[in-house]
Amino acid sequence: RKEVEQDPGPFNVPEGATVAFNCTYSNSASQSFFWYRQDCRKEPKLLMSVYSSGNEDGRFTAQLNRASQYISLLIRDSKLSDSATYLCVVINSGTYKYIFGTGTRLKVLA
Amino acid sequence: DVKVTQSSRYLVKRTGEKVFLECVQDMDHENMFWYRQDPGLGLRLIYFSYDVKMKEKGDIPEGYSVSREKKERFSLILESASTNQTSMYLCASSLFTGTDTQYFGPGTRLTVL
Repeated sequence: RKEVEQDPGPFNVPEGATVAFNCTYSNSASQSFFWYRQDCRKEPKLLMSVYSSGNEDGRFTAQLNRASQYISLLIRDSKLSDSATYLCVVINSGTYKYIFGTGTRLKVLA
Repeated sequence: DVKVTQSSRYLVKRTGEKVFLECVQDMDHENMFWYRQDPGLGLRLIYFSYDVKMKEKGDIPEGYSVSREKKERFSLILESASTNQTSMYLCASSLFTGTDTQYFGPGTRLTVL
């Protein structure tokens, strides 16, 4: 079983739709969580950190569920410019390793 | 803004050649990383450095070595390039270990013929 798993998609949604992705992790000692965005042929860039209490940044909401060991990303009012691959990243306690999921591809359609 | 730069965006080399990929960051970050990214496999850590002259193997270090002589520069070396090392190579840096955001360079797409 992979340490971090994501549905590869693609998720095809119309503009204005709400879409949510989940990312499951296998190590209960995981301590830090992030969502990154990666555009085609570009480097990953931080979208947002994920805090235990959940956090929101404009149209984006990230949540952590420690009991079920997953994090989620909700995008409201999708824009064409949101089309990208979304990577979840998990850091395990006491290590330096950033463990990346393989990404979920989102396509927002006009 | 943190800036991480990589020496080449695209590189084509022949099997058996020695290849140097260079990465420079301008934010005085302690930690630097080399990953490769392949379709369906995601980002895999090759090597990591937490200080000058210090290095740790990642998940796939075979066929690679690294050098960190100065804090801002982290080099990845392919001693004898092989076709299975054709990939996108991404360098990253972070200030602290274990909790901090990683900042990525633009990547080097290496093709080994």
